[in-house]
Amino acid sequence: EPEVTQTPSHQVTQMGQEVILRCVPISNHLYFYWYRQILGQKVEFLVSFYNNEISEKSEIFDDQFSVERPDGSNFTLKIRSTKLEDSAMYFCASSPIGQILRNTEAFFGQGTRLTVV
Amino acid sequence: AQSVAQPEDQVNVAEGNPLTVKCTYSVSGNPYLFWYVQYPNRGLQFLLKYITGDNLVKGSYGFEAEFNKSQTSFHLKKPSALVSDSALYFCAVRDYKLSFGAGTTVTVRA
Repeated sequence: EPEVTQTPSHQVTQMGQEVILRCVPISNHLYFYWYRQILGQKVEFLVSFYNNEISEKSEIFDDQFSVERPDGSNFTLKIRSTKLEDSAMYFCASSPIGQILRNTEAFFGQGTRLTVV
Repeated sequence: AQSVAQPEDQVNVAEGNPLTVKCTYSVSGNPYLFWYVQYPNRGLQFLLKYITGDNLVKGSYGFEAEFNKSQTSFHLKKPSALVSDSALYFCAVRDYKLSFGAGTTVTVRA
């Protein structure tokens, strides 16, 4: 069964450093998302991406964050100058685009646990 | 803005007993509602969704959910809970993104 894959599974970084979290969405999906979850708490929306551009972003997704689809398969989240409060589990998700996007579920990866020290 | 609320942080049941996880929604227009489950140190797994039609939706692992428009609720149910159902459950509403509730931790004791 196709699945969303994320690498690395765990990343530890020094405060102030840049990190890139990588995702390979399901191959025929067209909508991509990043979410984060702080220590088993609420899953928070960061950004959605469609047709090679950001379609929606939350207030969390400030200038520190950026997303990119550098090739036909990868979808990355870059966090510049990481802060302690960026420590969280980051989930990538993708959706096929049907007649109505709202009909379709999003498929989530296993997540990358980011620890900023 | 569309949102969902999960009024219970935790639900504890004995194995074999019915399990209900509550969710209420606030949307403009037709609701598109989802349930996801998260096992420890894992990603989110889709359980079921309500788009339109029958108010009782059946999903994975024996779960079902009842859509109630008058009460603006979408409660998740399982007639006979298993210890392996112990997990974190999220209700969500969708427009172009999924917006999740705060989550409910379910503990099923043997």
